[in-house]
Amino acid sequence: AQRVTQPEKLLSVFKGAPVELKCNYSYSGSPELFWYVQYSRQRLQLLLRHISRESIKGFTADLNKGETSFHLKKPFAQEEDSAMYYCALWGGTSYGKLTFGQGTILTVHP
Amino acid sequence: GAGVSQTPSNKVTEKGKYVELRCDPISGHTALYWYRQSLGQGPEFLIYFQGTGAADDSGLPNDRFFAVRPEGSVSTLKIQRTERGDSAVYLCASSLDRITNTGELFFGEGSRLTVL
Repeated sequence: AQRVTQPEKLLSVFKGAPVELKCNYSYSGSPELFWYVQYSRQRLQLLLRHISRESIKGFTADLNKGETSFHLKKPFAQEEDSAMYYCALWGGTSYGKLTFGQGTILTVHP
Repeated sequence: GAGVSQTPSNKVTEKGKYVELRCDPISGHTALYWYRQSLGQGPEFLIYFQGTGAADDSGLPNDRFFAVRPEGSVSTLKIQRTERGDSAVYLCASSLDRITNTGELFFGEGSRLTVL
């Protein structure tokens, strides 16, 4: 079975502070991991994927297979980063199924 | 259209009634997905279509739920004998091809179903 855990439902930081949204997964194979984001009154959209090793809007995420984690990080948070963030896993067996975590609401205060 | 379109945006029904939710994917996207999001939870996979056929329906909770995509474009999620536990936001998504390792699903705004 595959499972994604986001231990923090709410995370608050001040503008300019570093932010880290935690994601842990459970899967016996070699998964692909993603972060999706939903800004206020917008649709759920892909933020970044681990395989691309890219930085999007200043966010990065490193897949740590030893710790089965895929934490999302940004060194200097901005107010426009306030949103709901979901970590998601693709197990490679079903081409339609992403397993999502419960989400973390990030609030960046001015 | 510019994105995935879902109708209705809100549906209130009574326990035991039949409900249909419609999804119009991005033009040219062969893959279509239905997810369900209950309050305080992340999206949960229901069913995936590749073209007209359901390639994976392992997420449908029981036989009251059924989905079709007869012409490989628009899809309808059908729920029979609705129960209060079916109340959720039903999300539709589409992608150019199957997930593989790109993972980019384009989501609609969702249909919020409330069963009284």
